[in-house]
Amino acid sequence: DQQVKQNSPSLSVQEGRISILNCDYTNSMFDYFLWYKKYPAEGPTFLISISSIKDKNEDGRFTVFLNKSAKHLSLHIVPSQPGDSAVYFCAASVNTGRRALTFGSGTRLQVQP
Amino acid sequence: GAGVSQSPSNKVTEKGKDVELRCDPISGHTALYWYRQSLGQGLEFLIYFQGNSAPDKSGLPSDRFSAERTGGSVSTLTIQRTQQEDSAVYLCASSSDTITYEQYFGPGTRLTVT
Repeated sequence: DQQVKQNSPSLSVQEGRISILNCDYTNSMFDYFLWYKKYPAEGPTFLISISSIKDKNEDGRFTVFLNKSAKHLSLHIVPSQPGDSAVYFCAASVNTGRRALTFGSGTRLQVQP
Repeated sequence: GAGVSQSPSNKVTEKGKDVELRCDPISGHTALYWYRQSLGQGLEFLIYFQGNSAPDKSGLPSDRFSAERTGGSVSTLTIQRTQQEDSAVYLCASSSDTITYEQYFGPGTRLTVT
């Protein structure tokens, strides 16, 4: 039972354009969502997060949108840069105290120069 | 400051052997997590330590897996009688007790069971 789904295993965009990475979830108890970026042979690096009480959070070129009714969130990267090429993981958390993250399977983003 | 460190970075072992994986979290972080990532999969939660509380072991896939956290800092994940399906990247993360609950990951240990 995959509670966090990233249905696009890969995405290719041109440098300077917008990258949109999507994530769907099924557990309505999730109250905190995060995006991580992962380069080969490195651990995931925290990118941006959003609480379920918000619908948008912006940090520089990165914006995360949350649509609770659709159980959907997305990460927008504008403008995309070649250095953004990595695997992006969506993660979600339930406020049970332990705050373990449930991850999607990742989307590999390639930004073409 | 220093991030989360893990050792070894790579481990190849024969089926049936025991292995120990080490994690050194960020100093002062009270929460420590172990995850694993199998090929083509997302990260799977294994175990959680918070301060001196009893660990949450609900994600451990079998009783061959165990973990300790000594002195509220360094943690060791032990896999006994390894099987080929244990082959994965094992990731450790730590977190401070903040409202955002962001977790900071180490580089992982790639375990290959032959």
